[in-house]
Amino acid sequence: GAVVSQHPSWVICKSGTSVKIECRSLDFQATTMFWYRQFPKQSLMLMATSNEGSKATYEQGVEKDKFLINHASLTLSTLTVTSAHPEDSSFYICSARDPAGADTGELFFGEGSRLTVL
Amino acid sequence: AQSVTQLGSHVSVSEGALVLLRCNYSSSVPPYLFWYVQYPNQGLQLLLKYTTGATLVKGINGFEAEFKKSETSFHLTKPSAHMSDAAEYFCACGPGYSSASKIIFGSGTRLSIRP
Repeated sequence: GAVVSQHPSWVICKSGTSVKIECRSLDFQATTMFWYRQFPKQSLMLMATSNEGSKATYEQGVEKDKFLINHASLTLSTLTVTSAHPEDSSFYICSARDPAGADTGELFFGEGSRLTVL
Repeated sequence: AQSVTQLGSHVSVSEGALVLLRCNYSSSVPPYLFWYVQYPNQGLQLLLKYTTGATLVKGINGFEAEFKKSETSFHLTKPSAHMSDAAEYFCACGPGYSSASKIIFGSGTRLSIRP
């Protein structure tokens, strides 16, 4: 199946700093990627839909100035958590579909990035 | 609009016993339905999916699920649990395939296996 990779897997930062998480589709081109956030022992909450070459679409309640999403190429989307605070600590997961394969809706997920803000 | 409800946040079974994880959905259009598994500190892996056609779908690791439209259910089963099945399981629903279709996840069910 298609492969989605995230980097970094783990990141610890000080409060007030910004952190960038990368999501790459390794063997396919993804015009759309999805960013999810997962709190401990909870489900995945869709934060935003990342669209290649255009602005991301944010879900209700997600601060677009806080969580900057850039999808500059067909294989890379980045999520930047700006001025991070402890409450931003979470597991962030990206996903994408392979539009060129025989896929019928399946999302392929990255490994996730655990952010801890001190 | 779509929603997914997973009954039971935690299910515990003995090794070798039947596994049954429940999922009900709500969708205004014919849904695509998925079960994903997540191991600690990892992303999600697809177990199986229903799109159209046969309502009983088989997935990896011996899991299967049956789409029952009349009951709006998509329960996940496995005849005999293995210790390696211990993980978090998510049921998910989407409105049909397009690159930009969103998938909504249920709250998850943690499966524990007793020796």
